[in-house]
Amino acid sequence: GDSVTQMEGPVTLSEEAFLTINCTYTATGYPSLFWYVQYPGEGLQLLLKATKADDKGSNKGFEATYRKETTSFHLEKGSVQVSDSAVYFCALSATMGRRALTFGSGTRLQVQP
Amino acid sequence: DTEVTQTPKHLVMGMTNKKSLKCEQHMGHRAMYWYKQKAKKPPELMFVYSYEKLSINESVPSRFSPECPNSSLLNLHLHALQPEDSALYLCASSQDFDPGRSSYNEQFFGPGTRLTVL
Repeated sequence: GDSVTQMEGPVTLSEEAFLTINCTYTATGYPSLFWYVQYPGEGLQLLLKATKADDKGSNKGFEATYRKETTSFHLEKGSVQVSDSAVYFCALSATMGRRALTFGSGTRLQVQP
Repeated sequence: DTEVTQTPKHLVMGMTNKKSLKCEQHMGHRAMYWYKQKAKKPPELMFVYSYEKLSINESVPSRFSPECPNSSLLNLHLHALQPEDSALYLCASSQDFDPGRSSYNEQFFGPGTRLTVL
């Protein structure tokens, strides 16, 4: 079945550091890929998405590129802020058949001033 | 309007109580979802409604009873819950849930209801 693997957290960075959160997936066909963010005490917000190979999703300084050859969708940001502290979930949705989201385990990011 | 609303925000109930969680969206979405999220875990899918009909039930115990009165509303009726059911319950919606369509399944989530069962 479909699965998503994320790097273990927590990831602790100083403000203005470079961020990478790794995400790899297993799925048949060409799934759509998403990054969701969950701030403390809140629901999930869609951060960015990519629907086909080589697409780059971007939002609020975050970027991720759909790499089919490596089945990856790593999240990056050039300069993190304290306000970016949250849990980040990588997820996929198959294009056919069962189309509910499959989530990774989540990665907690802590940014220190 | 790209918002999914959920009420109540917090709920404390005893094991013999009956309560309901409510979810509403006005984006014209035809698919709605209930997820359960325990602390430090990803959301777990419970139910999916597509065009107001139950499409997926992830073997959820019968003490959780979903209802979709119309395309904008989704309820989750709770009865005789256990303490281990305490969690954040998230509602989401998407444009559709039709396996035959090629549109990607972008889901919009509500803020959740934090449920505590005593």
